[in-house]
Amino acid sequence: EIVMTQSPATLSVSPGERATLSCRASQSISSNLAWYQQKPGQAPRLLIYGASTRATGIPARFSGSGSGTEFTLTISSLQSEDFAVYYCQQYNDWPPYTFGQGTKLEIK
Amino acid sequence: QVQLVESGGGVVQPGRSLRLSCAASGFTFSTYTMHWVRQAPGKGLEWLAVISYDGSNAYYADSVKGRFTISRDNSKNTLYLQLNSLRAEDTAIYYCARAAAAAAGDYFDYWGQGTLVTVSS
Repeated sequence: EIVMTQSPATLSVSPGERATLSCRASQSISSNLAWYQQKPGQAPRLLIYGASTRATGIPARFSGSGSGTEFTLTISSLQSEDFAVYYCQQYNDWPPYTFGQGTKLEIK
Repeated sequence: QVQLVESGGGVVQPGRSLRLSCAASGFTFSTYTMHWVRQAPGKGLEWLAVISYDGSNAYYADSVKGRFTISRDNSKNTLYLQLNSLRAEDTAIYYCARAAAAAAGDYFDYWGQGTLVTVSS
């Protein structure tokens, strides 16, 4: 099973600043990585797939990068609606599909 | 627009069973692989099961293999998850999700709003 590890667990950033979230896979997953955003009381929402492709309707301030075992989600200028929990998920080697434990992005 | 609506959750005693449903609309359900994912209170996301577009293939997480069964009725545009031998640790919000198939596997492009299952005596 591929283990996904996200860091940090909590990230405090001020609105308008840049946020950088990390995700590491226990073995290479090529670019088969997705990022999701989840707000309290809501279902997850797809942000990024293929490590770097934005899903439909996702603002350009969200960008993904990386391949192999190291991945990054960057939010270039944080808006109030971006404060949420973010999960990475690998779909390279399954079953099982595996998620990271999440990074909570909070307002500083 | 794509909609996934789960139902069937509730409070159930340990050892009992429950069947969850996910009603799909806004897309051709019979052509998509579908998944179930759960989230325990205050915890992260855990993938549970996947079923192919025609129901011919299904795979499970080890944590639920032998206890949970995924199925679908394409004539009713509905996905199911049968939960047997429930344990306290199965308490979670259960989401159905549509697979956006990639060459290697799936990511999940649409999610339902979830249904809460609470296992308690």
